[in-house]
Amino acid sequence: KAGVTQTPRYLIKTRGQQVTLSCSPISGHRSVSWYQQTPGQGLQFLFEYFSETQRNKGNFPGRFSGRQFSNSRSEMNVSTLELGDSALYLCASSLSQGVSVGYTFGSGTRLTVV
Amino acid sequence: AQSVTQLDSQVPVFEEAPVELRCNYSSSVSVYLFWYVQYPNQGLQLLLKYLSGSTLVKGINGFEAEFNKSQTSFHLRKPSVHISDTAEYFCAVSDRFGNEKLTFGTGTRLTIIP
Repeated sequence: KAGVTQTPRYLIKTRGQQVTLSCSPISGHRSVSWYQQTPGQGLQFLFEYFSETQRNKGNFPGRFSGRQFSNSRSEMNVSTLELGDSALYLCASSLSQGVSVGYTFGSGTRLTVV
Repeated sequence: AQSVTQLDSQVPVFEEAPVELRCNYSSSVSVYLFWYVQYPNQGLQLLLKYLSGSTLVKGINGFEAEFNKSQTSFHLRKPSVHISDTAEYFCAVSDRFGNEKLTFGTGTRLTIIP
């Protein structure tokens, strides 16, 4: 079966712009989480959605937002991009809500802000 | 809140030799523990997880880990490594009470020497 699909794989944006990243979970998976990976800060939790509801949010500024659609696909948006937003953004899905189930991660979207 | 410490940022090992990647965690509540692997230009793949029960957990690709509550450790081991094990390994923790986020360590880069 298809894995977690993230689009686009690579993205270059200019400081001050906004960006939208997309994540299609494994068919049947209803929980989607987002993580940011940078060399300096490592892997950090952004937010988690289950059945179109944001259930948890990490310690990121309000410029970072997300949503989940009825088909479980999710998008995250970053407004007013800063150089420090350059990172690999990873999406993960699981069959049900419950981190104990274990996530399946996508290959990520690498965002470069110039 | 939880935290994870991976004591070694890089571990070089000769092919067919055993390896141990160390992980210690801190938490005021009971936790679930995970090891993930990240190959170059890819997302994270779950190697194994400890939820409850036997403290020795076996995962994919011949890896195993042992949960030690008194030492708050969850070290990853493999008796004989292969070139294909070259990757970055992340230890992660989450609480058991519905907070769906994973807290990751900073990662250990495992390099296999032929």
